[in-house]
Amino acid sequence: AQKITQTQPGMFVQEKEAVTLDCTYDTSDPSYGLFWYKQPSSGEMIFLIYQGSYDQQNATEGRYSLNFQKARKSANLVISASQLGDSAMYFCAMPRNQAGTALIFGKGTTLSVSS
Amino acid sequence: KAGVTQTPRYLIKTRGQQVTLSCSPISGHRSVSWYQQTPGQGLQFLFEYFSETQRNKGNFPGRFSGRQFSNSRSEMNVSTLELGDSALYLCASRTSGGITDTQYFGPGTRLTVL
Repeated sequence: AQKITQTQPGMFVQEKEAVTLDCTYDTSDPSYGLFWYKQPSSGEMIFLIYQGSYDQQNATEGRYSLNFQKARKSANLVISASQLGDSAMYFCAMPRNQAGTALIFGKGTTLSVSS
Repeated sequence: KAGVTQTPRYLIKTRGQQVTLSCSPISGHRSVSWYQQTPGQGLQFLFEYFSETQRNKGNFPGRFSGRQFSNSRSEMNVSTLELGDSALYLCASRTSGGITDTQYFGPGTRLTVL
């Protein structure tokens, strides 16, 4: 069965610094996708970035990029030039099945950005 | 395009009551999934509806049920509420299926059971 592990309960960073949030996963499926979401204190889950297992390059979306190491089964989120508005909970997730339904989530990492 | 909307945003109920939550997906999205988020259990998948049919179900008791209408809007019902049902309930929509298909979430309904 799929499993997502996020081992950093909290991370602290100053504005304009880069930060890496760790995510390791376990799956026996040869084809899979990994998602990162941001959850501010308001509660809404905001999609950030997606990485497919067969993608040749690491995904990037603006200030977000994925450090995807397939052999190590890790998909770390890198946020460059942190902003105060980046303070939130961050979740790594992957579908439970090939139909892409039923996302399983890690426990999340709380990121705090200070000025 | 408008995002996923959920109503109501906040709800307070007492034990034994039932509750219905509503979710309107992004226009054109036919799949709607529901998740429960609690501090103790984290985010857990409840069920997914696609074209008015339940396509996948998580490990929740039968008190949790849902349905989807022809316009893809979905409702989730919880009967005989328990204190442990207090949670943030999130709805997510996507176009159809496949592991590359991103789920977009609504703002959630925060349910408190007293």
